[in-house]
Amino acid sequence: SYELTQPPSVSVSPGQTASITCSGDELGDKYGCWYQQKPGQSPVLVIYQDNKRPSGIPERFSGSNSGNTATLTISGTQAMDEADYYCQAWDSSTLVFGGGTKLTVL
Amino acid sequence: QLQLQESGPGLVKPSETLSLTCTVSGGSISTGSYSWGWIRQPPGKGLEWIGSIHYSGSPYYNPSLKSRVTISEDTSKNHFSLRLSSVTAADTAVYYCARHQPGSGRYPFEYWGQGTLVTVSS
Repeated sequence: SYELTQPPSVSVSPGQTASITCSGDELGDKYGCWYQQKPGQSPVLVIYQDNKRPSGIPERFSGSNSGNTATLTISGTQAMDEADYYCQAWDSSTLVFGGGTKLTVL
Repeated sequence: QLQLQESGPGLVKPSETLSLTCTVSGGSISTGSYSWGWIRQPPGKGLEWIGSIHYSGSPYYNPSLKSRVTISEDTSKNHFSLRLSSVTAADTAVYYCARHQPGSGRYPFEYWGQGTLVTVSS
């Protein structure tokens, strides 16, 4: 079965750039997306089709996808961005989530 | 504004069938090119896709759960449902319903319900 691998945790200082990676076999040939989930809340889509932002998502969120790795980048990270982030892609007709990355802003 | 609300028993006994309903308000499940799905999250763990139902009415499931899952829709009640049979403690999770972005392809979830915790225990 297809797997997406994320680092369990990433730390960043306020105002700096955070990068969260997601690795999967030939992931660059698929569309990747990213969800943000804060404690006790439902996930929120922050990036879709590799690099598109849904309405209402701040411009500091961006994405890229090439080769075997998709990356979520948060520029000028704010305390409110502290959350779990999940990548997601489709493998044929199966929707796959990565294991999630806890972003700590400290 | 579209809203999704999960409902169903919060406690299910082992070997029994888990049944949940997702009621949609602010939009019709039978209008437009929208597919609807279920996702779960065990306590303290990551997200797992259970399955979705295409706007044509055809369901598609996570292969790892396919033998135990049924997703159906009732357009007259504007809701869709999940049934998961032969549950064990490993099925304890928060269950979310969600709507995919529009289209006939494979799109991410853009609207989510608040989730409901289902515990499997005798």
